[in-house]
Amino acid sequence: SYVLTQPPSVSVAPGQTARITCGGNNIGTKSVHWYQQRPGQAPVLVVYDDSDRPSGIPERFSGSNSGDTATLSISRVDAGDEADYYCQVWDTASDQGVFGTGTKVTVL
Amino acid sequence: QVQLQESGPGLVKSSETLSLTCAVSGGSISSHYWTWIRQPPGKGLEWIGYIYYTGATNYNPSLKSRVIISIDPSRSHFSLKLSSLTAADTAVYYCAATTRDLVYGLKQFDPWGQGTLVTVSS
Repeated sequence: SYVLTQPPSVSVAPGQTARITCGGNNIGTKSVHWYQQRPGQAPVLVVYDDSDRPSGIPERFSGSNSGDTATLSISRVDAGDEADYYCQVWDTASDQGVFGTGTKVTVL
Repeated sequence: QVQLQESGPGLVKSSETLSLTCAVSGGSISSHYWTWIRQPPGKGLEWIGYIYYTGATNYNPSLKSRVIISIDPSRSHFSLKLSSLTAADTAVYYCAATTRDLVYGLKQFDPWGQGTLVTVSS
């Protein structure tokens, strides 16, 4: 089955840029989606199709995808960005959804 | 804008069957694919399966022998049944909507329901 690997945690100072990676075999050939999950809340889509943002999501959230790594970048980080972030793809070979292992973002 | 709401018992006994329903409002149940996702306490997200209004389904292989997802278009809801429960099935269960792309398969999960915590007791 297809596996997506994320770093367990990322720490960043306020105002800086947080970068969260999502590794998978040839993930650059897939469409990657990213979700933000604050404590006690349901996940919320922040980036879809590698780099598109849903309405209402700030431009500070951006994504890229190439080779074996997709990346979610959050610029000008503030305390409100502290959350768990998950990447997700659809494995067309098995017709199944796959989530990354999740990354906890801490604002120092 | 589609909205989703999960409902079902919060406590079920080990070896029994969990039954949850997701009510769809604000849109047609034939306009999306519908999925179930779960999250054990303190752990990550796990995709359970999907259903289309035609009844087409697919399930996570790790749960396939115990899962049935069904749909009732007339009542605008879809359901999850998970049998032979153990403590490992304790989790927040979410329903979510998605669509299908001809190249990339099912797309992003959006929106999600608020989730419902199911605890399996011995």
